Amino acid sequence: NAGVMQNPRHLVRRRGQEARLRCSPMKGHSHVYWYRQLPEEGLKFMVYLQKENIIDESGMPKERFSAEFPKEGPSILRIQQVVRGDSAAYFCASSPQYQQGLKGYTFGSGTRLTVV
Amino acid sequence: GIQVEQSPPDLILQEGANSTLRCNFSDSVNNLQWFHQNPWGQLINLFYIPSGTKQNGRLSATTVATERYSLLYISSSQTTDSGVYFCAYGGATNKLIFGTGTLLAVQP
Repeated sequence: NAGVMQNPRHLVRRRGQEARLRCSPMKGHSHVYWYRQLPEEGLKFMVYLQKENIIDESGMPKERFSAEFPKEGPSILRIQQVVRGDSAAYFCASSPQYQQGLKGYTFGSGTRLTVV
Repeated sequence: GIQVEQSPPDLILQEGANSTLRCNFSDSVNNLQWFHQNPWGQLINLFYIPSGTKQNGRLSATTVATERYSLLYISSSQTTDSGVYFCAYGGATNKLIFGTGTLLAVQP
């Protein structure tokens, strides 16, 4: 069981470019969550997705950020026109069905985004 | 909103010492997890413990849901225990609210 796979591990973007972060959940997990960790801070919830559905995006910034979890392939967190304040570690987690979800909450190793 | 507070904010221990980390939360709990973020940034799930007590080797955790707190005990600490310890609270939804963490440094 490969666990939650995130790539890339490190990503450097210039201001104004786009960043795409990928997350492949654990085998058998149908729920994906994205969290952001700013320097010297704890993790903050961004978005919760199931296959082809956004369930809760209450933590997503209103502009430039979007997320998807297609029927096939990994979940993608997309940041358009990045700014220096987007520099952070972005963690993905996955879980199985909702009722079991809270027990099976497993995090990936994160993607560290640096905007220069 | 729901508050998740951790104490102490940082802690320095000599190898072999014991410690207790605390997490207070402000509402009824459905999920409480403890995580260790190592110096390389990896986030490791230590315990899922919405109530009761669990032990795993030198680590144990207790959550008293009625009094809205959880404790993480580290015994015979080792340098590899260094890092940040987060508690994360889950309420009615599937999302977790993380505390601000306890930064632990274990010195040889």
